[in-house]
Amino acid sequence: AQSVSQHNHHVILSEAASLELGCNYSYGGTVNLFWYVQYPGQHLQLLLKYFSGDPLVKGIKGFEAEFIKSKFSFNLRKPSVQWSDTAEYFCAVNNAGGTSYGKLTFGQGTILTVHP
Amino acid sequence: ETGVTQTPRHLVMGMTNKKSLKCEQHLGHNAMYWYKQSAKKPLELMFVYSLEERVENNSVPSRFSPECPNSSHLFLHLHTLQPEDSALYLCASSQVWDAYNEQFFGPGTRLTVL
Repeated sequence: AQSVSQHNHHVILSEAASLELGCNYSYGGTVNLFWYVQYPGQHLQLLLKYFSGDPLVKGIKGFEAEFIKSKFSFNLRKPSVQWSDTAEYFCAVNNAGGTSYGKLTFGQGTILTVHP
Repeated sequence: ETGVTQTPRHLVMGMTNKKSLKCEQHLGHNAMYWYKQSAKKPLELMFVYSLEERVENNSVPSRFSPECPNSSHLFLHLHTLQPEDSALYLCASSQVWDAYNEQFFGPGTRLTVL
């Protein structure tokens, strides 16, 4: 069974600091990778996704993530965070093929707090 | 109303009660999902419906009973729940049930079982 691990439960930063949230998954086959974000009081929404091709993917609001296959990692980055980035971030993975290929497995989430 | 809506937003029930959670999607999608989010645990997929047929049951106890009468509506019927079933229940939908379509989430129902 596949699993997703997010290294940090809570990250606290000041505005303009750089951000990197770790995500590792365990699955031997081909995977699709996602980052979802949940802003306070709002729905869970997609931030970015990786299916294939360039391992560096860009998402909304200046976020990017890099897929490193050899490390089974898909870390989320942002060069300079803003107070409005305060939210909970979830990494997720699904199988790109085989049965139950649409089934998303989520990490536990990382709460990001940005102080102005 | 746009996107994915869920009612009620909060629900408190006793262990002997029967209640239902409702989800409605206004996106014209063909796949709908129930997830459970417990404190300090990852979001867990419970059920998937594709074109109104259940295609995934993630070993969920029978005290949770899903129903999908049409592609826009999804219900989760609850009966004889346990306190450990207290959690946030999220509904989601996607265009189709596959590995490439974004899932759109509702706001969730916060369930407390006394």
